Amino acid sequence: GAGVSQSPRYKVAKRGQDVALRCDPISGHVSLFWYQQALGQGPEFLTYFQNEAQLDKSGLPSDRFFAERPEGSVSTLKIQRTQQEDSAVYLCASSLVGEHQETQYFGPGTRLLVL
Amino acid sequence: AQKITQTQPGMFVQEKEAVTLDCTYDTSDQSYGLFWYKQPSSGEMIFLIYQGSYDEQNATEGRYSLNFQKARKSANLVISASQLGDSAMYFCAMEEAGNNRKLIWGLGTSLAVNP
Repeated sequence: GAGVSQSPRYKVAKRGQDVALRCDPISGHVSLFWYQQALGQGPEFLTYFQNEAQLDKSGLPSDRFFAERPEGSVSTLKIQRTQQEDSAVYLCASSLVGEHQETQYFGPGTRLLVL
Repeated sequence: AQKITQTQPGMFVQEKEAVTLDCTYDTSDQSYGLFWYKQPSSGEMIFLIYQGSYDEQNATEGRYSLNFQKARKSANLVISASQLGDSAMYFCAMEEAGNNRKLIWGLGTSLAVNP
């Protein structure tokens, strides 16, 4: 079956450009998560959706980061006025019903490089 | 303070041998979940095994088992009969009941399986 998909897989942006990263969760999965993984580090939580509701955005590093999931399926992470420190892999994950300690299934990630 | 500590930046193992990857955690919650993921060089985070804090038995999934020692707050991953395809980064992660489903991650252990 289809897993979590993310696009683009690679993105190179010039400093100051806006970027949009897309995540297609596993069909029927209620919860969706975004994580940021810097080189050589573990992932860091960014934000979490239950259906279309953004229940936690405490990990978004600045107001340049914005995420949405308007119809409770596909999600977009937008970064405005990109900075070099935004260079990282952005991982999206989904889980089935949104219960605590439910397994999160990850996509392949989007590697963002800001020059 | 780190909530998830993986003290082994790199590990080597001979093919067909077993290897233990260490993970210690810090939480004051009584209810929490511990997860292990594998991240090959392709970048996708692959779920391996889960252990709930109230589970009395150690979790097992095929060649993966989790040595859960609650009093010591450790959740070590044991891979039996290592295969060349096991070469990857391995991450330990925790979800605390009071932390709104975000996973907190260690820095990972790089495992190399030698033929």
